[in-house]
Amino acid sequence: AQSVAQPEDQVNVAEGNPLTVKCTYSVSGNPYLFWYVQYPNRGLQFLLKYITGDNLVKGSYGFEAEFNKSQTSFHLKKPSALVSDSALYFCAVRDTSGTYKYIFGTGTRLKVLA
Amino acid sequence: DTGVSQDPRHKITKRGQNVTFRCDPISEHNRLYWYRQTLGQGPEFLTYFQNEAQLEKSRLLSDRFSAERPKGSFSTLEIQRTEQGDSAMYLCASSPGQGLGNTIYFGEGSWLTVV
Repeated sequence: AQSVAQPEDQVNVAEGNPLTVKCTYSVSGNPYLFWYVQYPNRGLQFLLKYITGDNLVKGSYGFEAEFNKSQTSFHLKKPSALVSDSALYFCAVRDTSGTYKYIFGTGTRLKVLA
Repeated sequence: DTGVSQDPRHKITKRGQNVTFRCDPISEHNRLYWYRQTLGQGPEFLTYFQNEAQLEKSRLLSDRFSAERPKGSFSTLEIQRTEQGDSAMYLCASSPGQGLGNTIYFGEGSWLTVV
């Protein structure tokens, strides 16, 4: 079965420091991977995706993600965290087993401390 | 492009009542998805449509849940005889129909509280 795992419930980082939010995946076939961010009482906003090509994907708000096939990981990164980056982050994978549904991780709460 | 629109944003209902949520997808997106999210959890897939055809339903979708997309544009999600366990945010998303790696775009969600 296709799945993603976000091993950290919460990540704390000081403002201005680099941040990493981890995601590992399990798929059969080529992975189509996504990152979304959710602010309180809001829907999910798309940040970036990996379909094919360069392993480093750049997205919105200065975020980027590194695809690593050998480690089956797709970690979200940002060189310098802002307090306004504090939110809930979800990794997702598109099911490739014959459906078009997207499967989400359990989320990681990012807290950026001033 | 106005984004995915959901209505109502919040609904409080008594146990046993029926509720209906509406979703208007991004114009010309022919795939539409419904997800459910409870506090502290990731979105859980409920169902999706390709145009007006409902192509997949999760086992989470009990017989009390029904979704429609009659003309391939807006969609409704109805919950009959609501239970307290139905309290959650119901998220709608849409995507273009072509391509394997399409992004799905979410609405702001509809919060349901069953009292």
